[in-house]
Amino acid sequence: QVQLQESGPGLVKPSETLSLTCIVSGSPITSYYWGWIRQPPGRGLEWIGYMYHTGSTNFNPSLKSRVTISIDTAKNQFSLTVNSVTAADTAVYYCASVGANYYFDYWGQGTLVTVSS
Amino acid sequence: EIVMTQSPATLSVSPGERVTLSCRASQSIISNLAWYQQKSGQTPRLLIYGASTRATGIPARFSGSGSGTEFTLTISSLQSEDFAVYYCQQYKIGVNFGQGTRLEIK
Repeated sequence: QVQLQESGPGLVKPSETLSLTCIVSGSPITSYYWGWIRQPPGRGLEWIGYMYHTGSTNFNPSLKSRVTISIDTAKNQFSLTVNSVTAADTAVYYCASVGANYYFDYWGQGTLVTVSS
Repeated sequence: EIVMTQSPATLSVSPGERVTLSCRASQSIISNLAWYQQKSGQTPRLLIYGASTRATGIPARFSGSGSGTEFTLTISSLQSEDFAVYYCQQYKIGVNFGQGTRLEIK
């Protein structure tokens, strides 16, 4: 079974860059698309984007200009960066595997990132 | 952008009852719809994909139906562990989630 674990700083200053990593076990990272979803405190889910190891990507249009997803096949992990963060980027960030038709079948436990000075 | 609208926002039900949650898409998504369950403080769990296919390990009391723009998730007999927030998600064009329906104990 696929297992995912997010890691990264829990606190980021406004205008700086948020960087998270998701370590994948139980599956080669070349097997699926891999994605990120976030959830502001007390609110619903927001899709960020997903990527395949060949470089194919798809991003939420509202975030596309500030977001990068990358994959490290040697380490079997993938990463998220969000530039120029504001308080509105405060959320629990989840990494997930992307099923055959772009639903999210396995999720990490999530990591809370707070944007504050 | 495809807008997903779930109704109602909150539903108060008793254990053992049958419940139906609704999800509407702003344009046709054929059957490109998934449902997730999120219990308080936990990670979302995939319940249904392809509008009606149960994910691995999901009990048979959960069923999904619909196509085009109208979809439903039915729980045939609510168990105590089913009280949670339920989200629908379209994946026809990009990805969009509904705002969620909270099932609470009556």
